[in-house]
Amino acid sequence: AQKVTQAQTEISVVEKEDVTLDCVYETRDTTYYLFWYKQPPSGELVFLIRRNSFDEQNEISGRYSWNFQKSTSSFNFTITASQVVDSAVYFCALSESNDYKLSFGAGTTVTVRA
Amino acid sequence: ETGVTQTPRHLVMGMTNKKSLKCEQHLGHNAMYWYKQSAKKPLELMFVYSLEERVENNSVPSRFSPECPNSSHLFLHLHTLQPEDSALYLCASSQEERQGARGTEAFFGQGTRLTVV
Repeated sequence: AQKVTQAQTEISVVEKEDVTLDCVYETRDTTYYLFWYKQPPSGELVFLIRRNSFDEQNEISGRYSWNFQKSTSSFNFTITASQVVDSAVYFCALSESNDYKLSFGAGTTVTVRA
Repeated sequence: ETGVTQTPRHLVMGMTNKKSLKCEQHLGHNAMYWYKQSAKKPLELMFVYSLEERVENNSVPSRFSPECPNSSHLFLHLHTLQPEDSALYLCASSQEERQGARGTEAFFGQGTRLTVV
């Protein structure tokens, strides 16, 4: 069973629009970690944020913000005032407490048009 | 620049060839990983090394053979691959605080784009 679901395959926006990427996860652990990574065309995955299951406080970092809601098992990511450089594939991932593995979602391709 | 370097960036090999992918991390981390990223599929974990010991092998075919000579270097030896093995192979590293503790972020290299012909 897939542990991380990113229902949006592709999103296309015009520069300066906001874009929200959905992530829904599934786990039976009470201790787990959630991540967002960005994969630009160059290929490497760039770490954006890590959240543990006990910290539901939302976070803002510049134009990026994250909304963690345990009640709905969601960890959504919003880019405010998008820019062309935000064009990339964005992955949500889950790590459970006794597992080395990062379980990745299928990714959402974001295209920001000038 | 993530501190994880992979070489080569691109590789084309025939099904009878033997080649190796190399990964080096400059972050002082104690765990290293190989992931496979195929088109239209989520990233799949292949191997994990923690403190230079292989701790996970996710049912990967024996034509893929990892090697971790020290905590900074990781290799993936390839032989008699199939066309369906064509993919982006990503190396990652992380600092695990102790055995059994997980959840630290992994840092990824740029990957090796492998094409098997």
